[in-house]
Amino acid sequence: DTAVSQTPKYLVTQMGNDKSIKCEQNLGHDTMYWYKQDSKKFLKIMFSYNNKELIINETVPNRFSPKSPDKAHLNLHINSLELGDSAVYFCASSQAAGEFIGQYFGPGTRLTVT
Amino acid sequence: AQSVTQPDIHITVSEGASLELRCNYSYGATPYLFWYVQSPGQGLQLLLKYFSGDTLVKGIKGLEAEFKRSQSSFNLRKPSVHWSDAAEYFCAVAPYSSASKIIFGSGTRLSIRP
Repeated sequence: DTAVSQTPKYLVTQMGNDKSIKCEQNLGHDTMYWYKQDSKKFLKIMFSYNNKELIINETVPNRFSPKSPDKAHLNLHINSLELGDSAVYFCASSQAAGEFIGQYFGPGTRLTVT
Repeated sequence: AQSVTQPDIHITVSEGASLELRCNYSYGATPYLFWYVQSPGQGLQLLLKYFSGDTLVKGIKGLEAEFKRSQSSFNLRKPSVHWSDAAEYFCAVAPYSSASKIIFGSGTRLSIRP
């Protein structure tokens, strides 16, 4: 009964490839997020979806494209991978309406681009 | 613009000693405030949150945090640490009007001395 799950946990690929990371939450939350955590542990929001609609799109290269087939899933597709994309990517979810109880995070996907 | 500062990059305390992790925020009004913990190789876990009301907030694992408006601080405390408390701790702030736009501090790594 994992709350927020991500696959894969580890991803090693070469520059120029295209890859996807999947995220699913079973908490019934309306909002989902993608974060990037760099090697210095700095956590930066990339995207946020509310009920399958994009509500936050920070300054992220357009090689990154989120897709939300339903409110329980938010996938991240990355085209033409670059060395600088190496990081840990976290998916998270939260209630959008009512009290904001904080975000629940997935375990992360460690992406290594060689 | 809102911001979060965790002035201590790394703290080492002896097992059984007390702990205080500092967090300062910059925001025009009272924001939502959070503390998260990240164990090695894991995602972030919400420890506690402050929205309004009692300025002393109690969370999981015997942790508490006190909101001090005059100092724009939300420091995390624990009276007696255990070796299992070693982890990275993140303070976060979200504006009242847009809970999805949460911003994280740079984190404080806590090490426990046996």
